[in-house]
Formats: sequence, C-alpha cells, structure tokens
Amino acid sequence: GAGVSQTPSNKVTEKGKYVELRCDPISGHTALYWYRQSLGQGPEFLIYFQGTGAADDSGLPNDRFFAVRPEGSVSTLKIQRTERGDSAVYLCASSYLPGLAGVSDTQYFGPGTRLTVL
Amino acid sequence: AQSVTQLDSQVPVFEEAPVELRCNYSSSVSVYLFWYVQYPNQGLQLLLKYLSGSTLVKGINGFEAEFNKSQTSFHLRKPSVHISDTAEYFCAVHPGNTPLVFGKGTRLSVIA
Repeated sequence: GAGVSQTPSNKVTEKGKYVELRCDPISGHTALYWYRQSLGQGPEFLIYFQGTGAADDSGLPNDRFFAVRPEGSVSTLKIQRTERGDSAVYLCASSYLPGLAGVSDTQYFGPGTRLTVL
Repeated sequence: AQSVTQLDSQVPVFEEAPVELRCNYSSSVSVYLFWYVQYPNQGLQLLLKYLSGSTLVKGINGFEAEFNKSQTSFHLRKPSVHISDTAEYFCAVHPGNTPLVFGKGTRLSVIA
C-alpha cells in the first residue's frame, strides 16, 4: 500500500517568504506528526495531530510556524517570514493508534521535504 | 526531560564484520525504544522496537537490540554487515505521552 507522501520533495525560497509543506499520511492513520531534521542532527518534534486537532504543538519553535489538518487526513505545515535558520528537512510521520500515555504505535515516515532558505 | 545519546557519530566497519551501535537514554519513567534507519535520500524506516517483554528484540535485515534497564541502554547489533547496511541509524525513545525523542544518529559505513 501507499506510504506517507510529502510534497514538494525540495523547496528553495528566499528569506522572508511564506512556504507550505504538505503531508499525506497512510490511509486510516489517526495520528500525524511533524519533525524537523537539521544537518547532522536527529529529527526534532514539532507538532502532533490526533484527528483534526493539534494534541501537542510544544515543539513549534515560534509563532512563524503553524500547521493544520482540517479533515483529519492531509496536513500542511506553514512557515511565515522564513529565515535562513529554517533550512532543514521537514519530516512527516503517521501512526494508526494515537500516541497516548502508555500506548506506542509505530510511526511511519515520509521521505521529507528539504527546505532551503536563501 | 528525556534524552537519547548515541555515543558514536560515525562507525566504519569492514564487510562481514560484526557491528554494535550504542544508544543510552535518560528517562524517569518507563519508555518504549526504537531504532530507525535512514538510507540516503529516503525517509526513516523502522528497524525494531522494544515495548515490553523479552529484552532481546529482533528486527529486519538481521539486526537485533538488547534493552538493558539497569544501564539504560538499547544497543543495536548485527553479526555480519553488508555494503547495503551503509546508512544513518537513529535511536529513539518514546516515554508514553510525549513525542518521540531521537538521538543525533550514527553513520554506519561498511567498507568492502
């Protein structure tokens, strides 16, 4: 079956511009996660959706970052007034079960979107 | 706060030799532990996971890991590596109701 897909695979933008990154999770998965992976680092959590709502957005670095999942499936990560420090690979993952206390389900990752801010 | 330490940033090893990639974690609560592999230009793929039960966990591609609660470790091993195992390996901990926390990764380079 189809895995997690992310578009675009690469995005180059100029400092100060607005960008949107899209994630299509595996069909039927209720939980969706966004991570950011900087060069030489492991993925860092940004935000987690359970259904349509953001259950945990504690990883968003500042208010320039925002994410939505209006119908509980596709999600869009939005970055306003991009800065050079936002350059990274943005990863999306989904899981069938929600990440509730005491429960851990495998997260399936997409290939990522490489964002470069010039 | 939970953290994951991968002690080696790079591990070169000859083909058909054994390898161990080290991972230590810190957590004040029970955790679930994972190893993911990332091949060049690909997404993260789950190798194996420890949720409960037997402390020796077997995964895909001949990898296994052992959970050691007293040493807070979850080292990854393979008895004989192949060129195709060249990749970045990430250890991660899931402390239940908080997000996955990843280590910085270990780059495994298999030399012919």
